[in-house]
Amino acid sequence: NAGVTQTPKFQVLKTGQSMTLQCAQDMNHEYMSWYRQDPGMGLRLIHYSVGAGITDQGEVPNGYNVSRSTTEDFPLRLLSAAPSQTSVYFCASSYAWGGHEQYFGPGTRLTVT
Amino acid sequence: GQQLNQSPQSMFIQEGEDVSMNCTSSSIFNTWLWYKQDPGEGPVLLIALYKAGELTSNGRLTAQFGITRKDSFLNISASIPSDVGIYFCAGRKDDMRFGAGTRLTVKP
Repeated sequence: NAGVTQTPKFQVLKTGQSMTLQCAQDMNHEYMSWYRQDPGMGLRLIHYSVGAGITDQGEVPNGYNVSRSTTEDFPLRLLSAAPSQTSVYFCASSYAWGGHEQYFGPGTRLTVT
Repeated sequence: GQQLNQSPQSMFIQEGEDVSMNCTSSSIFNTWLWYKQDPGEGPVLLIALYKAGELTSNGRLTAQFGITRKDSFLNISASIPSDVGIYFCAGRKDDMRFGAGTRLTVKP
């Protein structure tokens, strides 16, 4: 199993550009989520999904869209990038919301200039 | 809100020393989790706690779920250089909230 994979690993965007961060898992996990990590603030939940076709907002959803058309994939879209979205983004998955362990991907480091 | 206060922010210790860190909140959580993050990687789960008062060990690591459900601590005994990293607590109720992390440095 590859676990949770994320692409790209690094990305630089100009303000106003849009892009999609990819996340995929091959563990047949129902629950997937996106976090952003900023210095001194830990990880903050952006959006999550409890299964294909179902998504919901986390703590900091503004400026981001998600969709879950398959169990494996959970892309995160930045509609119009802003410098405040400069961060490291982590995707995670687990068997179920009440399930034990969330497996994290390696992260995408995004810089918006 | 469901904010977690994690302390200390950083620790510099000598190899072989014991380490203690904790997380507190004004909100109740149903699950407490402790993660470790190495540079350039995603967090990895160390210990999960599911019941108030629960005390769980994983090798040299011990964590407890506070009786009030508003706090948790993590102890590392006899630290070694590979314990270096950032340790995060996380509480789960409606969603998952993370503490800001404790950066641990171990001097050989």
